[in-house]
Amino acid sequence: GENVEQHPSTLSVQEGDSAVIKCTYSDSASNYFPWYKQELGKRPQLIIDIRSNVGEKKDQRIAVTLNKTAKHFSLHITETQPEDSAVYFCADSGGSNYKLTFGKGTLLTVNP
Amino acid sequence: EAGVTQFPSHSVIEKGQTVTLRCDPISGHDNLYWYRRVMGKEIKFLLHFVKESKQDESGMPNNRFLAERTGGTYSTLKVQPAELEDSGVYFCASSPRDRGNYGYTFGSGTRLTVV
Repeated sequence: GENVEQHPSTLSVQEGDSAVIKCTYSDSASNYFPWYKQELGKRPQLIIDIRSNVGEKKDQRIAVTLNKTAKHFSLHITETQPEDSAVYFCADSGGSNYKLTFGKGTLLTVNP
Repeated sequence: EAGVTQFPSHSVIEKGQTVTLRCDPISGHDNLYWYRRVMGKEIKFLLHFVKESKQDESGMPNNRFLAERTGGTYSTLKVQPAELEDSGVYFCASSPRDRGNYGYTFGSGTRLTVV
């Protein structure tokens, strides 16, 4: 809720390198933090999410970390592949159980 | 199962004209949401339906926008008259009643260009 800042706006990496995208939020009531991936011309798809009672969550090459004290959370992609190229959006719930507040998105380009 | 379907995928209209966007949610999903992304900015919440009832329309920009969900199935979003600043990608999402924002499935969006 309120405001979500996402950085960087663009990120270019070499295949095999890691990529990190960071978001900060302002609403203390936020308790749910999803990440969406949108490939060109396709719909945003949920790739990983984390709830406020957990500090880290991993799913294969993707991980999300949450620091509630500092109000920031990050997406980590390891061993990047060209098919990881997309726009990634972070979001937070702001304590709502139906609405999401999104960041501006990060265009990730993985160069072969 | 079929996903969330939106059409048209693209629409180019002149300022002052009317456009109607349609969203077909996943069958059985009570929650239906409209969001909009203006070029380079965040995806912003417009409104939320539970079945046919508007639960929250706090994100609707102004009274030129009208959303309906008659019968609690598909939804339409009408912009009348359209202005240049209405250009952007309009996304629809749906989720089961008990999932809320934990279970969004997005459509591919309608890219609206007002010239």
